[in-house]
Amino acid sequence: SAVISQKPSRDICQRGTSLTIQCQVDSQVTMMFWYRQQPGQSLTLIATANQGSEATYESGFVIDKFPISRPNLTFSTLTVSNMSPEDSSIYLCSATGLAGVDTGELFFGEGSRLTVL
Amino acid sequence: AQSVAQPEDQVNVAEGNPLTVKCTYSVSGNPYLFWYVQYPNRGLQFLLKYITGDNLVKGSYGFEAEFNKSQTSFHLKKPSALVSDSALYFCAVRAEYNFNKFYFGSGTKLNVKP
Repeated sequence: SAVISQKPSRDICQRGTSLTIQCQVDSQVTMMFWYRQQPGQSLTLIATANQGSEATYESGFVIDKFPISRPNLTFSTLTVSNMSPEDSSIYLCSATGLAGVDTGELFFGEGSRLTVL
Repeated sequence: AQSVAQPEDQVNVAEGNPLTVKCTYSVSGNPYLFWYVQYPNRGLQFLLKYITGDNLVKGSYGFEAEFNKSQTSFHLKKPSALVSDSALYFCAVRAEYNFNKFYFGSGTKLNVKP
């Protein structure tokens, strides 16, 4: 299975600031996704990170608030902009299609836990 | 619309007893079904999947799940629970005709008491 590394693993941020989360996969992958999860709750898809083009956002999420980059097949970033306490959450990077072969399942990083004061 | 339901927020079981965590789904076409486990302060770990073939699939840590097409269910089971199985479990489905999307259930907290 893939190793998906996220940085930072956790952070405490001030209201109004922005934070960029990095996601590195140890092999090329077909698709990368970003999810948000409140502790103990289900996952909400933020967007699909498209390599070399703009991300595809889900309803309720916009590029100005959550800009996403995916410059190559192994790396993506999610920025949480102009943060408010409501953005306090766990942000999960995920991927499928390891080494270009889609075996069906989604693989996850360990998550980035953000607390906004 | 595609969806996954986990009807139990919490399941309590004594160590050594069998456990079942329930999942039903609604999807167009043939479903790809998954179970994931999440331990505190960790990401989701893949447990097992059903894509095609035998309806009973075996996965990590002694877990298994049975695909039932007529009941649109994919319940997770283990013959003998361990205290270390206590965690949050998510069922997920990937739709044949909307392959870029994964749909997750609300999660079930499994508590295994010694």
